[in-house]
Amino acid sequence: DAKTTQPTSMDCAEGRAANLPCNHSTISGNEYVYWYRQIHSQGPQYIIHGLKNNETNEMASLIITEDRKSSTLILPHATLRDTAVYYCIVRKYFGNEKLTFGTGTRLTIIP
Amino acid sequence: EPEVTQTPSHQVTQMGQEVILRCVPISNHLYFYWYRQILGQKVEFLVSFYNNEISEKSEIFDDQFSVERPDGSNFTLKIRSTKLEDSAMYFCASGRPGQGTTNTGELFFGEGSRLTVL
Repeated sequence: DAKTTQPTSMDCAEGRAANLPCNHSTISGNEYVYWYRQIHSQGPQYIIHGLKNNETNEMASLIITEDRKSSTLILPHATLRDTAVYYCIVRKYFGNEKLTFGTGTRLTIIP
Repeated sequence: EPEVTQTPSHQVTQMGQEVILRCVPISNHLYFYWYRQILGQKVEFLVSFYNNEISEKSEIFDDQFSVERPDGSNFTLKIRSTKLEDSAMYFCASGRPGQGTTNTGELFFGEGSRLTVL
């Protein structure tokens, strides 16, 4: 799987949009970008995924650059409950491909 | 909403003892995984399981580890002779093949079983 690079930590004010960047310059054509988060020591939680188009769901938006070498996860109105470690993972969509977690970005929402 | 459940939530054991961690995946899922997370470290892949056999395993998953799906609902991880360094949170996950627009291909994780080896 392609490697991803994320900032170690970020802060965001409560109520503001949190923008989490991810670089995945070696992504291949059949690999998707997945975002997960881990709140404290809980199990990782799926947020969103995409191939090349921008995606939005009830949790977040995912913006993928045209060359697919980087992406940004956007939490539109961050709350204190969004404080977590966010993982950007590149993974093939079909089959039983595992998720390979990096160190992620520790996002702290400031009251 | 369906979820992956794991038991026990916390187990304390003596070094050298056998431990079995149990997971009930989501009922229509086909792919099963175990991960572990040592305190303060990354979530690490251990093993994936499909069609009643191991699909892939990491270097961590040595002969001390085994997995089983004994009855079509439970998915277990056994550590035969625990070591101090096996102390970690163990996460089970399950998933379906990604297909179409109605299935995200995501993995669903349980809340974990914390193993403490003394």
